[in-house]
Amino acid sequence: AQSVSQHNHHVILSEAASLELGCNYSYGGTVNLFWYVQYPGQHLQLLLKYFSGDPLVKGIKGFEAEFIKSKFSFNLRKPSVQWSDTAEYFCAVNTGGGNKLTFGTGTQLKVEL
Amino acid sequence: DAGITQSPRHKVTETGTPVTLRCHQTENHRYMYWYRQDPGHGLRLIHYSYGVKDTDKGEVSDGYSVSRSKTEDFLLTLESATSSQTSVYFCAIVDLAQREQYFGPGTRLTVT
Repeated sequence: AQSVSQHNHHVILSEAASLELGCNYSYGGTVNLFWYVQYPGQHLQLLLKYFSGDPLVKGIKGFEAEFIKSKFSFNLRKPSVQWSDTAEYFCAVNTGGGNKLTFGTGTQLKVEL
Repeated sequence: DAGITQSPRHKVTETGTPVTLRCHQTENHRYMYWYRQDPGHGLRLIHYSYGVKDTDKGEVSDGYSVSRSKTEDFLLTLESATSSQTSVYFCAIVDLAQREQYFGPGTRLTVT
């Protein structure tokens, strides 16, 4: 079975700092990859997704992610974070069958003013 | 929000009682999912449905059952609630055209 690892559980940054959150998955076949964000007290919202093609994908709110197949990674980046980016971020993978998602354990990001 | 509602939004129940959570969608999506969210575990799939009366188990299905008698409703039942089932439960659907999952607002369940 596939698994997803997010090694950074808690990240604290100052406004305007750059962000990179790690995501690694374990599956040797074709994958679809996602990053979701959950603002405090809210449900999950899709930030971006990768299915195929250009491995650098851009999402909403200035986020982007790079798929590196050789490293089984799909790291999330943002050049300059804002206080409003404070949230929990989840990486997820879909390997087909039933469109099911396997999620990582999440990274709690706190952006300080 | 893909027209997903969940009820109730909050529930406190006692150990050993049965509990049913409802997910309702208005856009005729074929696939529906139940996840639970716990600190340090992310979201884990409980059960999912790929059509009316068609359901399958997910990663953490023990102690849970589901039913889908019509397209718009997907019910999750805790047959005999335990404290380990205290969690936030999210329903989701898949937009097959976009290949994206959309999540409902969640139900916070506390089992005392």
